[in-house]
Amino acid sequence: NAGVTQTPKFQVLKTGQSMTLQCAQDMNHEYMSWYRQDPGMGLRLIHYSVGAGITDQGEVPNGYNVSRSTTEDFPLRLLSAAPSQTSVYFCASSPGTGGRRNEQYFGPGTRLTVT
Amino acid sequence: AQTVTQSQPEMSVQEAETVTLSCTYDTSESDYYLFWYKQPPSRQMILVIRQEAYKQQNATENRFSVNFQKAAKSFSLKISDSQLGDAAMYFCAFSSSNTGKLIFGQGTTLQVKP
Repeated sequence: NAGVTQTPKFQVLKTGQSMTLQCAQDMNHEYMSWYRQDPGMGLRLIHYSVGAGITDQGEVPNGYNVSRSTTEDFPLRLLSAAPSQTSVYFCASSPGTGGRRNEQYFGPGTRLTVT
Repeated sequence: AQTVTQSQPEMSVQEAETVTLSCTYDTSESDYYLFWYKQPPSRQMILVIRQEAYKQQNATENRFSVNFQKAAKSFSLKISDSQLGDAAMYFCAFSSSNTGKLIFGQGTTLQVKP
């Protein structure tokens, strides 16, 4: 099992450019989520999905889009990058909610810089 | 809305000694889970320990244990016999059993001195 994989590991964008951060998991997990990590603020939830075809907003969804067409993949799209989106992005997955299914497994992260 | 607060931005401990990291949370839910994650310089998020809110017994994983005080909404992490490899950022996190959303504290940077 590769677990949760994220690509790319590093990315530099110019303001206004768009890009997609990829996330995939091979554990057949129903629940997937995206977080951003900024200094002094911990990780904040951007969007999450409880299963294929279902997505919802987290704490900081503005400027980001997601879709979940398969169980395995959960891409995060930046439509028009802004310097405020400079951050480290983590994808995570868990079997579901309730009981030990709540335990989330994290990908290695993507460091994004917007200039 | 749930909140998680870690009031110690930085802590240090001597190798082989014990250190306790503090965490408080706020929620109106009765069914939830609490976690401590470790983030070393590699940036990987590693689950250290989990606690189910319905369990009165404090969770233990080798040198790591928690002090879970449900009424006080407190969830501290104790690291015994600290090792150099324990140096990292530690995050406390709350997860609702209903939604599965994970809410993180701000983190505590732990330094281990040889």
